Amino acid sequence: RKEVEQDPGPFNVPEGATVAFNCTYSNSASQSFFWYRQDCRKEPKLLMSVYSSGNEDGRFTAQLNRASQYISLLIRDSKLSDSATYLCVVNPASGGSYIPTFGRGTSLIVHP
Amino acid sequence: DGGITQSPKYLFRKEGQNVTLSCEQNLNHDAMYWYRQDPGQGLRLIYYSQIVNDFQKGDIAEGYSVSREKKESFPLTVTSAQKNPTAFYLCASSIDGLAGGPTDTQYFGPGTRLTVL
Repeated sequence: RKEVEQDPGPFNVPEGATVAFNCTYSNSASQSFFWYRQDCRKEPKLLMSVYSSGNEDGRFTAQLNRASQYISLLIRDSKLSDSATYLCVVNPASGGSYIPTFGRGTSLIVHP
Repeated sequence: DGGITQSPKYLFRKEGQNVTLSCEQNLNHDAMYWYRQDPGQGLRLIYYSQIVNDFQKGDIAEGYSVSREKKESFPLTVTSAQKNPTAFYLCASSIDGLAGGPTDTQYFGPGTRLTVL
């Protein structure tokens, strides 16, 4: 089983739609979780951290479900500019080091 | 203006040649990382360094080498032993190395696209 799994998509949604992505992880001892955004042929950029209590930043909401070992990202009122690949990142604890593990990413296409 | 720079942006290599990719950061970060990304794939860790003069192999270190002589610099050499080097190479850094915690986030450079001719 892969350490971090994401549905590659693409998720094809109209402007204004609400879309949600999930990401599952296998290491129950994982300590922290992030969502990054990657535009085509560019570097990943941190979108938001994911906290146990969930967190919201404008149209974006991230949730963590430790019992089921997944995190989610909800995007409300999708914009054309939201089109990108969204990478899930998990920091497992391993011998005192925290080396991030990346999912393959979920592609989102927002159309007019 | 703090950040991570990578050069060159595009690099072409003939088979059998070694090439070195540059990564510099002025964020005063202790930890630096090299990743490889292939089309439609996630990031795979090549090497990482949590402190100067020390580095560790990642998941796909074969055919690559690194050095960490200065805190700001973490160059990656793609050797001729790497059979499929064509890929997008990303360098990243995070604030804490050996003292790092689980909430450390990574910041990425703009990447280098390597193509083998």
